[in-house]
Amino acid sequence: DAGVIQSPRHEVTEMGQEVTLRCKPISGHNSLFWYRQTMMRGLELLIYFNNNVPIDDSGMPEDRFSAKMPNASFSTLKIQPSEPRDSAVYFCASSFTAGLISYEQYFGPGTRLTVT
Amino acid sequence: EDKVVQSPLSLVVHEGDTVTLNCSYEVTNFRSLLWYKQEKKAPTFLFMLTSSGIEKKSGRLSSILDKKELFSILNITATQTGDSAIYLCAVVAGVSNFGNEKLTFGTGTRLTIIP
Repeated sequence: DAGVIQSPRHEVTEMGQEVTLRCKPISGHNSLFWYRQTMMRGLELLIYFNNNVPIDDSGMPEDRFSAKMPNASFSTLKIQPSEPRDSAVYFCASSFTAGLISYEQYFGPGTRLTVT
Repeated sequence: EDKVVQSPLSLVVHEGDTVTLNCSYEVTNFRSLLWYKQEKKAPTFLFMLTSSGIEKKSGRLSSILDKKELFSILNITATQTGDSAIYLCAVVAGVSNFGNEKLTFGTGTRLTIIP
């Protein structure tokens, strides 16, 4: 298995532009997590899905952020409009859970976002 | 608000030394505590702890949880340069209903092993 796949690996954009980050979870996993990591705030959980359904999006910083999971093999995290303070590394992780959440997650390589 | 505090923030030791990393927490409805290792890229899972006093072990790494004193330690014996990484602690908390769990990460301990 290729593991969790994220694209792009690096994104540099100007303030105000729309940014879309993509994630392909490990085949067979039914939970998907989006995280943001910065030096100041560490690793923060933004949202997670189970069986393609958003379960908890309380970590999403504001309405400019949205996430979708149209099927079991694909998810997107969108920022519109982007701001410099959104600059961070965004990780996607997946896991398999039967019943309650399993936190033995497998992380993707991350997308380093820079908003100028 | 749930809190997870790791100490020390940074640690530099010589190869062969033993290190102990600390994670304390203040959460409502504790469920489990997780340790991750983050090298240059993404975090990789190390341990999940749910019960007090039961040591989890993997090679030179071991971890234990104290639910009374609200902390966990991660021990690494006979350290090697490949152990250099950021070690993250995370706590899962919330009532036992699907969708009501929260995951909070500490800011990590940066461990550097000098050859």
